[in-house]
Amino acid sequence: DSGVTQTPKHLITATGQRVTLRCSPRSGDLSVYWYQQSLDQGLQFLIQYYNGEERAKGNILERFSAQQFPDLHSELNLSSLELGDSALYFCASSAHTTGVNTIYFGEGSWLTVV
Amino acid sequence: DAKTTQPTSMDCAEGRAANLPCNHSTISGNEYVYWYRQIHSQGPQYIIHGLKNNETNEMASLIITEDRKSSTLILPHATLRDTAVYYCIVRPSLDDKIIFGKGTRLHILP
Repeated sequence: DSGVTQTPKHLITATGQRVTLRCSPRSGDLSVYWYQQSLDQGLQFLIQYYNGEERAKGNILERFSAQQFPDLHSELNLSSLELGDSALYFCASSAHTTGVNTIYFGEGSWLTVV
Repeated sequence: DAKTTQPTSMDCAEGRAANLPCNHSTISGNEYVYWYRQIHSQGPQYIIHGLKNNETNEMASLIITEDRKSSTLILPHATLRDTAVYYCIVRPSLDDKIIFGKGTRLHILP
């Protein structure tokens, strides 16, 4: 158990809909990251937040957005969903201390768009 | 980020040591070598990391060459549960995000 909690574990929704994925980082971790892994695809970095502020952006679509709240939990919002958005979405967190920042991953949220 | 090169797949007999190589010839002096693994559709699991010296923990050992251009992850006594995709990642110490490559798919054979 990495200490990173993601909900829901599984989600099925229709095209055009909007969903929200939630992540609770490990206790005390200030940084949250989101990754997408499509079927047979690699892990793609989407976005990182540090203490409520966006820190780094990767291959995140404009239909997707994220935020980190004052209690440090994060949400990834996916809108106007398409079949190709079906994927595993991972959240990760790190303490963001000076030096080495080991990143720990949650077990993911399976999103199926039908 | 520095690039890494890993074999696409490897086999190892159960109970033997699994040695997974990684080339990172463009690594910079302040960049760390990290290893993660992903067991089928589970979240990536941190294994070990190092800068210059060899490192060992309860999961594995990391051997980094003196010129730091390559490294080897060693699982000393592989079990069937070690079947996974193993990712070698080079990451600046102050750059938080991790960029995954394709990794090595390790098959542990009974």
